[in-house]
Amino acid sequence: AQTVTQSQPEMSVQEAETVTLSCTYDTSESDYYLFWYKQPPSRQMILVIRQEAYKQQNATENRFSVNFQKAAKSFSLKISDSQLGDAAMYFCAYRAGVTGNQFYFGTGTSLTVIP
Amino acid sequence: KAGVTQTPRYLIKTRGQQVTLSCSPISGHRSVSWYQQTPGQGLQFLFEYFSETQRNKGNFPGRFSGRQFSNSRSEMNVSTLELGDSALYLCASMSGLDYNEQFFGPGTRLTVL
Repeated sequence: AQTVTQSQPEMSVQEAETVTLSCTYDTSESDYYLFWYKQPPSRQMILVIRQEAYKQQNATENRFSVNFQKAAKSFSLKISDSQLGDAAMYFCAYRAGVTGNQFYFGTGTSLTVIP
Repeated sequence: KAGVTQTPRYLIKTRGQQVTLSCSPISGHRSVSWYQQTPGQGLQFLFEYFSETQRNKGNFPGRFSGRQFSNSRSEMNVSTLELGDSALYLCASMSGLDYNEQFFGPGTRLTVL
């Protein structure tokens, strides 16, 4: 079974600084998708960024970027120029490519942004 | 386009009771997934419905059940509630044409006393 591991239950960052959240996953599939979701205190989960495993180029979305290491099965999220609004729970998620209608989530990393 | 809606937002029940939660997906989305979220456990997958059929099921006891209607709205039922069922229950919908994003609802906070 696919598993997603987030080894950092809590992280903190100074406003305007950069922080990296870690995620590793286990799969025997070659085709899959990886996601980072953000859950602010209001509880509405939203997609931050996604990466297709077949793409070698790391995905970026404004201040958010990933470091996708397929061989190492690692998928970290880098947040640059951290803002107070970035404070939230961040979940890493995996979906298989072929039969991929089920998402697997990690246990989350709680990010605090210090003013 | 309206987002995923869940009702009720908050619910308090006592042990042994049953509860039904409702989820309305984004218009046009045919897939609805349910998750249980508890502190430290992340999101635990309950089940997924597509076109009124359960396609995937997580590792939860039979007390947890669901269904989907022809308009893609979904309900989740928990019978014989236990204290450990207290959690945030999230619903997420996906387009049947693009599995690259799940859109989440605000959740239903269930407290079992």
